[in-house]
Amino acid sequence: NAGVTQTPKFRILKIGQSMTLQCTQDMNHNYMYWYRQDPGMGLKLIYYSVGAGITDKGEVPNGYNVSRSTTEDFPLRLELAAPSQTSVYFCASSYQPSREQFFGPGTRLTVL
Amino acid sequence: QKEVEQDPGPLSVPEGAIVSLNCTYSNSAFQYFMWYRQYSRKGPELLMYTYSSGNKEDGRFTAQVDKSSKYISLFIRDSQPSDSATYLCATLFGNEKLTFGTGTRLTIIP
Repeated sequence: NAGVTQTPKFRILKIGQSMTLQCTQDMNHNYMYWYRQDPGMGLKLIYYSVGAGITDKGEVPNGYNVSRSTTEDFPLRLELAAPSQTSVYFCASSYQPSREQFFGPGTRLTVL
Repeated sequence: QKEVEQDPGPLSVPEGAIVSLNCTYSNSAFQYFMWYRQYSRKGPELLMYTYSSGNKEDGRFTAQVDKSSKYISLFIRDSQPSDSATYLCATLFGNEKLTFGTGTRLTIIP
């Protein structure tokens, strides 16, 4: 099992550009999550999904969108990138809601 | 007041020492308590998971929860350089979302 995979590993965006961060898991988990991690700020939940077709906002959803068309994939879309979105983004999945979460390796995003 | 408070460190200890990492939390409804370990430039991985008060041991690691004082601890015995990482505590009530501490950066000096 590959677990949770994320692409790309790194990306530099210009202000106003858009991009999609990809996340795929092969553990057949229903629950998937997107977090951002800023220095000294811990992990903040952006969006989560309890199954295909169902998504909901987390703590910091502004400026992001998600979709969940399959159990395996949970892409995160950034529209009109802003410097405040410079961060490390982690995707995670779990078998039970919020219990043991398996994290991907992260995407380091810089918006200039 | 943050829901989960954690000293960010950094904390440096010599190899073989006992390490104590701590968090406090404010919501007495929290039931599940977890410790995640995050190596540099990697995603967090679950290290320990406890439910309610008490101790849980796994090899060199012991997780301790004191619900009366809202205090969570992780002890590492016989610390190794490979234990150098950031340790994140996390708490959970029911099926709500995980609340993470900010993490403590630990370095074990050979």
